[in-house]
Amino acid sequence: ETGVTQTPRHLVMGMTNKKSLKCEQHLGHNAMYWYKQSAKKPLELMFVYNFKEQTENNSVPSRFSPECPNSSHLFLHLHTLQPEDSALYLCASSQRGTGADFGEKLFFGSGTQLSVL
Amino acid sequence: AQKITQTQPGMFVQEKEAVTLDCTYDTSDQSYGLFWYKQPSSGEMIFLIYQGSYDEQNATEGRYSLNFQKARKSANLVISASQLGDSAMYFCAMREGDQGGSEKLVFGKGTKLTVNP
Repeated sequence: ETGVTQTPRHLVMGMTNKKSLKCEQHLGHNAMYWYKQSAKKPLELMFVYNFKEQTENNSVPSRFSPECPNSSHLFLHLHTLQPEDSALYLCASSQRGTGADFGEKLFFGSGTQLSVL
Repeated sequence: AQKITQTQPGMFVQEKEAVTLDCTYDTSDQSYGLFWYKQPSSGEMIFLIYQGSYDEQNATEGRYSLNFQKARKSANLVISASQLGDSAMYFCAMREGDQGGSEKLVFGKGTKLTVNP
């Protein structure tokens, strides 16, 4: 069993559909993240949850709605997406301490490859 | 200006040879951390190696070493004795900022490494 599991692996949806991406981490970490990876572009941070509280929303459009019911699960709810939202969506987790830790490591899932038609 | 620059979109290396993947970074902070991640075709981002800005020794992890040249702001990854399984995308990343939180982790565009038999 991998540390961070994402489902589904692939998703094709129309612009009017509503779907959800799921992420589960089995590492006992207290922080979870959503990243977007588009072709030819660097990885973009979307959302950060620290102890189930959202601490970062990196100017993400409201058609992306995150949910973190507990420290092990993270969802990304999708609705009325655009074709330019097609990308690989990666979930990650980490163990955050109380002080600054420049060496804090992120552990990633295998991602959901999303295609919006 | 880009924070992380990876100038090699693609690199080729013969099996069992060493290869260097370039990474330069831009920061005015004194405290920061540098990472390399590997992303095989499966999509998962795998942590390889970490170098702190105050670390005097170059980081090493098995066949991976980080050639850290602080004055030049470079953090090149050296892979020794390349294996076919090393074929993947490689991403350099930097964490900076007062708190060192993961919100400040910035990735480069990546280098695609192909190991030839």
